[in-house]
Amino acid sequence: NAGVTQTPKFQVLKTGQSMTLQCAQDMNHNSMYWYRQDPGMGLRLIYYSASEGTTDKGEVPNGYNVSRLNKREFSLRLESAAPSQTSVYFCASSELGAGGAKNIQYFGAGTRLSVL
Amino acid sequence: EDQVTQSPEALRLQEGESSSLNCSYTVSGLRGLFWYRQDPGKGPEFLFTLYSAGEEKEKERLKATLTKKESFLHITAPKPEDSATYLCAVPVSGTYKYIFGTGTRLKVLA
Repeated sequence: NAGVTQTPKFQVLKTGQSMTLQCAQDMNHNSMYWYRQDPGMGLRLIYYSASEGTTDKGEVPNGYNVSRLNKREFSLRLESAAPSQTSVYFCASSELGAGGAKNIQYFGAGTRLSVL
Repeated sequence: EDQVTQSPEALRLQEGESSSLNCSYTVSGLRGLFWYRQDPGKGPEFLFTLYSAGEEKEKERLKATLTKKESFLHITAPKPEDSATYLCAVPVSGTYKYIFGTGTRLKVLA
């Protein structure tokens, strides 16, 4: 049981380059999330998808786009990478679609991105 | 403003030396609180959900408690394998969002 799988694990980009971070879950969860984690800051939500075909902006969406390709897959795209986007990116999924104590999130191992 | 604060930022314990980690929060309409464990180079791993003030949950050497203002993660007789960063998070009422604390980095020395 793989859970949440993220690719790639590491990536180095030059300013202005684009890339897509991939995420897939095999738990048949409805909701999926993209977070970024920076030193000294808590996990911050970039985008959220409550179900296939729907996406919503989170706390820090600027510079990112997402696609909920199907129930399993949720990708994050950086169209023109900037040094401020150097971070660790985590994808998560949960069974339920609404916030609350029953909505446990399961996280992938992360993508470590450096933008030079 | 909804906020989650964890303390201490870092904690070093000798093996067997019990201690507590704190997560204080200010949110309107608390709808539960989560504790996660994060090992270096990995994603957060779910530990506990606490639904209401007064609730307690236990798992091996860990015990989580919840009051109306804060949660504690008590670690009894820790072992080196308990070394990790411990995160707490609260859901924001009426949204799908969660506020995560910055975590407590725990190091248990043999």
